[in-house]
Amino acid sequence: QVLLVESGGGLVKPGGSLRLSCAASGFTFSDYFMSWIRQAPGKGLEWLAYISSSSIYISYADSVKGRFTISRDNAKNSLYLQMNSLRAEDTAVYYCAREDKWLVRGPLQWGQGTLVTVSS
Amino acid sequence: QSALTQPASVSGSPGQSITISCTGTNSDVGGYNYVSWYQQHPGKAPKLMIYDVTNRPSGVSDRFSGSKSGNTASLTISGLQAEDEADYYCSSYTSSNTLLFGGGTKVTVL
Repeated sequence: QVLLVESGGGLVKPGGSLRLSCAASGFTFSDYFMSWIRQAPGKGLEWLAYISSSSIYISYADSVKGRFTISRDNAKNSLYLQMNSLRAEDTAVYYCAREDKWLVRGPLQWGQGTLVTVSS
Repeated sequence: QSALTQPASVSGSPGQSITISCTGTNSDVGGYNYVSWYQQHPGKAPKLMIYDVTNRPSGVSDRFSGSKSGNTASLTISGLQAEDEADYYCSSYTSSNTLLFGGGTKVTVL
């Protein structure tokens, strides 16, 4: 079955950096678009970025463009999110999610999430 | 880009039907049939309930159905059950090649 396991969350100071990872299994990772989505405490879902199967197509939400970088390593079945210049408002649970093979129509499966806390 | 508009809360009694709306623009909901709906219980990851406006993934109860008219998509839950109490979110692909979520709707079973 599809399994997505995020890691790399934790406490970081404002202005700091963090790299999240998502280990995928149970499907052919290299065939699918992947996304990162976050949820601030008590708030709704916010899509952050997606990446196509071969990393040709990448898109970001305006709120993270220029600060966050999505990438993937198909040989390792892994998705990444490099987060720089972190702010208090980036505090959230970060989810990785599997999209469709050919386009982004909305996440099909989600990981359990990893908590990122930005605080001094 | 602003979130899609959903009512903050909807409630109903067991056995009743409720409908949650998701309003966007011609650049998202109205322009594409790529609207999805997610259910999220407290402390859990979201679960896909409807994709491509009307389609149910395998394993999702047929009590859940989706539709769209113009710039507004809707999720209907029929035969409301206690286990349906959760937060629900819509999402849509956009003309900016991004994804947009709704603000979420809390469903309460009375």
